[in-house]
Amino acid sequence: QSVLTQPPSASGTPGQTVAISCSGSSSNLGTNFVYWFQQLPGTTPKLLIYRNNRRPSGVPDRFSASTSGTSASLAISGLRSEDEAVFYCATWDDSLNAWVFGGGTMLTV
Amino acid sequence: QVQLVQSGAEVKKPGASVRVSCKASGYTFTRFSMNWVRQAPGQRLEWLGWIDSGNGDIKYSQKFQGRLTITSDASANTVSMELSSLRSEDTAVYYCARDGLDSSGYYAHFDYWGQGTLVTVSS
Repeated sequence: QSVLTQPPSASGTPGQTVAISCSGSSSNLGTNFVYWFQQLPGTTPKLLIYRNNRRPSGVPDRFSASTSGTSASLAISGLRSEDEAVFYCATWDDSLNAWVFGGGTMLTV
Repeated sequence: QVQLVQSGAEVKKPGASVRVSCKASGYTFTRFSMNWVRQAPGQRLEWLGWIDSGNGDIKYSQKFQGRLTITSDASANTVSMELSSLRSEDTAVYYCARDGLDSSGYYAHFDYWGQGTLVTVSS
């Protein structure tokens, strides 16, 4: 059983805005910060969002995130073909005492 | 710039152990912690454990307790992980990933990643 649940796929056309959801529980997203990662084909994961909605330097402001209760959402505006990747959410789980990751959402542009 | 360079691919038989190293450069090694994360083929990322390179504190995922050993060598700016009693389900790409800090002093966990090390467990 997945601790963090993401839709397996999402799609959009260039220029559109797409949102990817991440659903958890009171022991993880309900209590702790969400992180988002982008994994381009054949590459290592890259930190996209930390501490719910902060972007590391170099990450464009087309990427934004929000949380509500035990869920989180990543929004990508002005979609580009190079945004095609798998996106993962992650957070600390107080019950498992471990970092947990979502199953990943494959974005097709 | 921050770089994490991992050791090369490994092929191991079931029951054996594997050691993967991660050499850090471009920052003060002892100021930041390091995680180990793995990704089995077609599977989600999975956190294995974490070490504070400054004071040596270690935390393991309960799933790997007893099979996983994480060590840090500040003289070599290197963190290593050793996984024992390997089984086929341990076949995965293993990553080291640093816990960073932003300019405001907030943690930015997993801010830099190594290139990954493929560990194949097969008889």
